[in-house]
Amino acid sequence: DAGVIQSPRHEVTEMGQEVTLRCKPISGHDYLFWYRQTMMRGLELLIYFNNNVPIDDSGMPEDRFSAKMPNASFSTLKIQPSEPRDSAVYFCASTDPSGVGSYNEQFFGPGTRLTVL
Amino acid sequence: DAKTTQPTSMDCAEGRAANLPCNHSTISGNEYVYWYRQIHSQGPQYIIHGLKNNETNEMASLIITEDRKSSTLILPHATLRDTAVYYCIVRSSSNTGKLIFGQGTTLQVKP
Repeated sequence: DAGVIQSPRHEVTEMGQEVTLRCKPISGHDYLFWYRQTMMRGLELLIYFNNNVPIDDSGMPEDRFSAKMPNASFSTLKIQPSEPRDSAVYFCASTDPSGVGSYNEQFFGPGTRLTVL
Repeated sequence: DAKTTQPTSMDCAEGRAANLPCNHSTISGNEYVYWYRQIHSQGPQYIIHGLKNNETNEMASLIITEDRKSSTLILPHATLRDTAVYYCIVRSSSNTGKLIFGQGTTLQVKP
């Protein structure tokens, strides 16, 4: 398996523009997570899905952020309009918690580095 | 999920064992201890997890104290490639979702 795939790897945009980040989870994983990492706030969970349904979006910073998972193999995180403070690395992760006990390793993608000018 | 406390940074000589401590004094009975690491510019990577018994895999060993209020991640023979931020996370077995990352410990392995 190719692992979690994210695109683009780097995105530079201007304030006010719409930004769409994409993620393809590992095949067979039914949980998908979006995280954001900044120097100031560290690694934060934004939202996660189970079987394509959003379970917890309490980490989404504000209405400018939205996430969708139209099918089991694709998710998007959209920022509209973008602001300079949205500059961060955005990670997608997936897991399949059907193993023994509580074992459910999350597999992270390489991240998308977003710069909003 | 219980909160964890880790030192901000540590150094280790290449080839020596790296012992990374973590305090989780409010851990409850159904909470596991997980360790992840993040090498610069990469996504976090799972290392190991445990409940109350010591655990070992090809990457590391996890030692959990008898009262479960603290644990130590051991990298037996640290290499330069082990330089990373190491996160200790406590998570309930009923929680199949969230990983709450703290600030972690920055381990610098020196030649």
